[in-house]
Amino acid sequence: EIVLTQSPGTLSLSPGERATLSCRASQSVSSSYLAWYQQKRGQAPRLLIYGGSHRATGIPDRFSGSGSGTDFTLTISRLEPEDFAVYYCQQYGSSPVTFGGGTKLEIK
Amino acid sequence: QVLLVQTGAEVKEPGASVEVSCKASGYTFTNYGFHWVRQAPGQGLEYMGWISALSGHTNFAQKFQGRVTMTTDSSTNTAYMELRSLRSDDTAVYFCARSSSWLYHFDFWGQGTLVTVSS
Repeated sequence: EIVLTQSPGTLSLSPGERATLSCRASQSVSSSYLAWYQQKRGQAPRLLIYGGSHRATGIPDRFSGSGSGTDFTLTISRLEPEDFAVYYCQQYGSSPVTFGGGTKLEIK
Repeated sequence: QVLLVQTGAEVKEPGASVEVSCKASGYTFTNYGFHWVRQAPGQGLEYMGWISALSGHTNFAQKFQGRVTMTTDSSTNTAYMELRSLRSDDTAVYFCARSSSWLYHFDFWGQGTLVTVSS
């Protein structure tokens, strides 16, 4: 199975700053079938990005995804207070679907 | 709007079984399938498997094969996940999530069901 490694484990930033989250796969992810989810405490995950770079419906344009092959990035251009949460990457190009371990984005 | 509403929290003894339901609304039920994902307290997301609401075809993560059953009922627009032979390390929040296909992103999620396994 494809193992996804997210870094950093925790990212401490201030509102207004730029956040860059990394997701590295142990094998190439087929057709950029890579998604990003945001999870706030006590809530279900929410789809942010699919297909490596496509924003889901209703997701603000400060969120962007990039990358291909084994290296993918989620960028939040200007952090808003509601963006502080845990972020997971997911590959769905090969079975089984797998998730990264998550990056916690916390307020500095 | 699309809604996935799951059953409430469950407490089970070791060795028992639990069934979690996920009632869908706001879209054509058989046009999508359901993935099930769990999250142990303070941990990340763990994939369990998928069921097509159209065909009933399933695909399970190897870890859960033989211990999990997934079904759907199109008359009530509900998906079900049964996990058997529960152990303490099965204590987790269980989520259903909608998806167009077996290998596809998950666009809507249920609110989660806490299953606690304890004697």
